[in-house]
Amino acid sequence: EAQVTQNPRYLITVTGKKLTVTCSQNMNHEYMSWYRQDPGLGLRQIYYSMNVEVTDKGDVPEGYKVSRKEKRNFPLILESPSPNQTSLYFCASSRGRALPGRQGSWGNEQFFGPGTRLTVL
Amino acid sequence: GDSVTQMEGPVTLSEEAFLTINCTYTATGYPSLFWYVQYPGEGLQLLLKATKADDKGSNKGFEATYRKETTSFHLEKGSVQVSDSAVYFCALSESNFGNEKLTFGTGTRLTIIP
Repeated sequence: EAQVTQNPRYLITVTGKKLTVTCSQNMNHEYMSWYRQDPGLGLRQIYYSMNVEVTDKGDVPEGYKVSRKEKRNFPLILESPSPNQTSLYFCASSRGRALPGRQGSWGNEQFFGPGTRLTVL
Repeated sequence: GDSVTQMEGPVTLSEEAFLTINCTYTATGYPSLFWYVQYPGEGLQLLLKATKADDKGSNKGFEATYRKETTSFHLEKGSVQVSDSAVYFCALSESNFGNEKLTFGTGTRLTIIP
């Protein structure tokens, strides 16, 4: 079954204790991304990766790190979590290689994981 | 920058009622437009999409038409079911240099009562 998996699904931690949220996809997708979902704000992109060893910041990267050593995995690292990082996190993937074009070439479907609910006390 | 504005919820309808969830967008280029649905405890799933002006996306009885002149992508369904209860997100993608970032609206919670 084609899917994006995330672990853990739920996590309660304390300020400053390093944590990693794993993300894995089995669709051989090149593009992967992390979002956080907060009430009234929708989903906002944290980091993205166009391929192995290629990562870049999204709209809200402060306090997060990522790595892409293998195509299937894209972990999200919080080196020193703070309460303002309490949120619902989603990993997403797509086939990638969207090409520029005049009329909406960015139509790739993105597949989302089930989410990780993180609480930082 | 890009932005998406969608109808605020929550929306509560009776089964078999007609549904409209409004969505308008602001973009600098030629975005693709999407509706994603989130069922309780699950991740987002693509419901439908449209990649150019006047395209109509459709799936599971839902439809939305890409209207460039009004910068809108309203979601409609003729007869809703209890199983349609979920949160619906309108989104656009205007990829720059390979980033397929989705810009989302804030979501509309839909509840269908029998």
